[in-house]
Amino acid sequence: SQQGEEDPQALSIQEGENATMNCSYKTSINNLQWYRQNSGRGLVHLILIRSNEREKHSGRLRVTLDTSKKSSSLLITASRAADTASYFCATRFNQAGTALIFGKGTTLSVSS
Amino acid sequence: GAGVSQSPSNKVTEKGKDVELRCDPISGHTALYWYRQSLGQGLEFLIYFQGNSAPDKSGLPSDRFSAERTGGSVSTLTIQRTQQEDSAVYLCASSSSGTGDGYTFGSGTRLTVV
Repeated sequence: SQQGEEDPQALSIQEGENATMNCSYKTSINNLQWYRQNSGRGLVHLILIRSNEREKHSGRLRVTLDTSKKSSSLLITASRAADTASYFCATRFNQAGTALIFGKGTTLSVSS
Repeated sequence: GAGVSQSPSNKVTEKGKDVELRCDPISGHTALYWYRQSLGQGLEFLIYFQGNSAPDKSGLPSDRFSAERTGGSVSTLTIQRTQQEDSAVYLCASSSSGTGDGYTFGSGTRLTVV
């Protein structure tokens, strides 16, 4: 499979703690994206990092990309109960006209 | 429109019947995608439309599945002779260019085949 694979599959933390999710992929990419899904319905785009970028921030989110290791991490700082959701990484391969390939996701539970 | 709209939101059908799922993308978005998600699983790519180019149908699981996009806007995913394993949430997304952008997803259609 060429999809991204998230790790861990499930993560439970307390409010205020940081949550780190990892994603690994297999082939060279154009960009990598992270999405959030609540209640098994539509996904919401969180952040996109291009292959020539190493780190990106958006609010409490920090994404890193290591193309030599073919891996990315998503850090959510100072987590809140409302961050409880599934998080997916998605990769766009370095090939024109290809759709995003999604991993199976990490389920994050933040308890208050 | 303001977002990606999918209809119906829920569909229960009998095994062997045909179903049509509709997706109305964001106005002006040239790229449109269909994915499906089985319970507790990741998203499985089905088909991708980009402008006037021939669609990428490489993810369609069988010839019972087909999709069209009329006038570069609304798309319909058709499943013929539905089977129980077709039960899933079918998600549609659109993006402005299909290259380096994030996708905007609809809320999905939950299909249950009984």
